[in-house]
Amino acid sequence: KAGVTQTPRYLIKTRGQQVTLSCSPISGHRSVSWYQQTPGQGLQFLFEYFSETQRNKGNFPGRFSGRQFSNSRSEMNVSTLELGDSALYLCASSPPDRESSYEQYFGPGTRLTVT
Amino acid sequence: AQSVTQLDSQVPVFEEAPVELRCNYSSSVSVYLFWYVQYPNQGLQLLLKYLSGSTLVKGINGFEAEFNKSQTSFHLRKPSVHISDTAEYFCAVSRYSSASKIIFGSGTRLSIRP
Repeated sequence: KAGVTQTPRYLIKTRGQQVTLSCSPISGHRSVSWYQQTPGQGLQFLFEYFSETQRNKGNFPGRFSGRQFSNSRSEMNVSTLELGDSALYLCASSPPDRESSYEQYFGPGTRLTVT
Repeated sequence: AQSVTQLDSQVPVFEEAPVELRCNYSSSVSVYLFWYVQYPNQGLQLLLKYLSGSTLVKGINGFEAEFNKSQTSFHLRKPSVHISDTAEYFCAVSRYSSASKIIFGSGTRLSIRP
């Protein structure tokens, strides 16, 4: 099976702009989670989508939003970018059964730089 | 709320020497415990997991970890490291009730010296 793919891999944006990142999960996986990784804050959970519904949410401002499509692909959007949003954004998918939902498979990430 | 503390931000070790990466967690409810590895410019890969049962769990690449409930620890060990083990290692926890929401520690950078 193909792994989790994320596009684009690298992105440079200017403060105030908005950005959309995309994640395609492993075939058959219905849960997609997003994480932000920065040197200062480490890895932080953003949100999780399951069957097109947000199932869990971390402690991020409303500028961070996401959605999931019927084919389980997910997008994450950040509006009004700030310098502090520069980070590696990781997407992970997990199998559909609840008992295996801990088993997350990560993509390579999208490196976002805000200037 | 759950939290994870990795006591060492960096661990330098000589090749073929043993290594232990320390992890302590806190939680008022039952949790799953994990170790993930991140190689340079890559995403995270699951090394091993503790769900229940035997407190000694074995993972990929010769790593193992021991769950100690009284010490609230989940230390990662390998008896003999290789250059290829150079990476950042993350200890993590999730609750049974929301297993997909993973809380990560701050990471330990393992550097192997020849």
